[in-house]
Amino acid sequence: EVQLVESGGGVVRPGGSLRLSCAASGFTYDDYGMSWVRQAPGKGLEWVSVINWNGGSTGYADSVKGRFTISRDNAKNSLYLRMNSLRVEDTAFYYCARKARYSSAWYIDHWGQGTLVTVSS
Amino acid sequence: NFMLTQPHSVSESPGKTVTISCTGSSGSIASNYVQWYQQRPGSAPTTVIYEDNQRPSGVPDRFSGSIDRSSNSASLTISGLQTEDEADYYCQSYHGTNVLFGGGTKLTVL
Repeated sequence: EVQLVESGGGVVRPGGSLRLSCAASGFTYDDYGMSWVRQAPGKGLEWVSVINWNGGSTGYADSVKGRFTISRDNAKNSLYLRMNSLRVEDTAFYYCARKARYSSAWYIDHWGQGTLVTVSS
Repeated sequence: NFMLTQPHSVSESPGKTVTISCTGSSGSIASNYVQWYQQRPGSAPTTVIYEDNQRPSGVPDRFSGSIDRSSNSASLTISGLQTEDEADYYCQSYHGTNVLFGGGTKLTVL
């Protein structure tokens, strides 16, 4: 069974930093691209970032470009999101997500349960 | 900027059929595949349609997806509505290097 378990969320002041982690299990981790998607409380889904299977290619939403860094450690079956210069508007649930393989489409086939990041003074 | 627009909410009775639309703002929505995700209250999203009209294993055939080039929109149709279908539904596609979600539609099964 595919499992994605996020950790590292919490309360941070504006301008602060936080690192999220995602532990993956139940599949061959380094066969898949991975992504982060966020959802502000009571709002819709927003794509944040993506990384390919070996970390050689990454992509970011304009809203986080230059502030967030996605990375992965295939030896540890783990995905990370380093978030710097955090803003109040970054407050959200952050979902770790597996990008579907064997498809011409870009889509997510498995989601974690999310970790809450609150940016507040 | 390319955007996907969904109705804020829809409602229908159990046993009936409902269709949720997702309209592309510019260009052709048919240029890239559209996906649909279901998010029940308090839960993470799950995929119900991918590649415009494909269902993941375990998703009932009451769920179907389609593309209408004339209106530049994608649609999710749920037939034989059940109370468990009450959820938020999001369409998703991609444009260049950007992954896009629609704003979401809240489905109420009365």
